[in-house]
Amino acid sequence: SQTIHQWPATLVQPVGSPLSLECTVEGTSNPNLYWYRQAAGRGLQLLFYSVGIGQISSEVPQNLSASRPQDRQFILSSKKLLLSDSGFYLCAWSINTQYFGPGTRLTVL
Amino acid sequence: KQEVTQIPAALSVPEGENLVLNCSFTDSAIYNLQWFRQDPGKGLTSLLLIQSSQREQTSGRLNASLDKSSGRSTLYIAASQPGDSATYLCAVLHGSSNTGKLIFGQGTTLQVKP
Repeated sequence: SQTIHQWPATLVQPVGSPLSLECTVEGTSNPNLYWYRQAAGRGLQLLFYSVGIGQISSEVPQNLSASRPQDRQFILSSKKLLLSDSGFYLCAWSINTQYFGPGTRLTVL
Repeated sequence: KQEVTQIPAALSVPEGENLVLNCSFTDSAIYNLQWFRQDPGKGLTSLLLIQSSQREQTSGRLNASLDKSSGRSTLYIAASQPGDSATYLCAVLHGSSNTGKLIFGQGTTLQVKP
């Protein structure tokens, strides 16, 4: 069966520090992969999606970037965090329907 | 631009009640519509997926309907239980193919009181 992992589960970072969130999927090949952010009081917003290794599409201009170095690995990064980057980050994979990971709670202070 | 709206934002009911959650979308050109459940601080769990050619889907006590022409979907929960307490999110896959880009509503937070 397929499983999706995200780490870390929670993270507290100072403004201006770098960020790396990791998402890995097991039990499937060549899935579409997605990064979403859920900010306080706001709905889920799609940040990036990838249809294959090295193929990244950005949905909104922002302080973040994404990479897919391996088929089942998706990484969300930032060189310098902003306060507005705080939120709950969810990774998802899909073949037909989307399956979500457990999420990472990021607090930028 | 596709927009998804969910009403009400919050709902509190006594155990055993049947209830309806509403979702509306502005552009009827959708590939499918999904209902998700999110427990506090957790990821999303897919409940039901309705393809654009379908009218409804059922799973246990849950029934979701889709009226694409009017841009509406409802999630019906029968005989609600305290374990149903969670936030319910509606999302549409916009466009004519399975591009996977879901557009979410803001959710309805449900509390079922024992």
